[in-house]
Amino acid sequence: DIQMTQSPSTLSASVGDRVTITCRASQSVRNYLAWYQQKPGKAPKLLIYKASSLESGVPSRFSGSGSGTEFTLTISSLQPDDFATYYCQHCDGYPWTFGQGTKVEIK
Amino acid sequence: EVQLVETGGGLIQPGGSLRLSCAASGFSVSSNYMSWVRQAPGKGLEWVSIIFTDDSALSADSVKGRFTISRDNSKNMLYLQMNSLRAEDTAVYYCARSPLVQGVIGWFDSWGQGILVTVSS
Repeated sequence: DIQMTQSPSTLSASVGDRVTITCRASQSVRNYLAWYQQKPGKAPKLLIYKASSLESGVPSRFSGSGSGTEFTLTISSLQPDDFATYYCQHCDGYPWTFGQGTKVEIK
Repeated sequence: EVQLVETGGGLIQPGGSLRLSCAASGFSVSSNYMSWVRQAPGKGLEWVSIIFTDDSALSADSVKGRFTISRDNSKNMLYLQMNSLRAEDTAVYYCARSPLVQGVIGWFDSWGQGILVTVSS
């Protein structure tokens, strides 16, 4: 199985900060990678698919980049609604696996 | 509007069986790739099973031989039959849709609200 590792596990930031989360795959997943945002007690919400494509309705402050084994999710200017946990997920072969999550906290 | 609503969760003893249901609206489950994803309390996300448009299915090794995904196209419903349940199956279970985009499936663009399954004596 392909292992997905996110860093950091927790990130403390302030409103307006630029935030970057990294996701590394144990082997190449090409660009078959998605990013989700999850708030407590809620289902995950798709932000980015195919590594860099922005899901419809998602604010443009979210962006994704990378290919192969290293990927990043960037929030250009953190907003109060963005404090949440973020997950990456590969879909290059089965089983699809997720990273362990990155919690973005208020500094 | 696309909507997914899970039902059927609850407390079940180890070794028991449970069937989860997911009612879909706003789209047809028969022409989409549908999955179950779970999340143990305080933990991350784990893909469980997928059913393809041709009715074939795949499951994670952790549930293979115990869980079965199926659908009823006439009712626009997705199901997860869970047998031989273990304590480690305790989780919130989500049904989710994977769209086909440029010949690729794999991400989940719509999710249900989730349903809690607790396996405990």
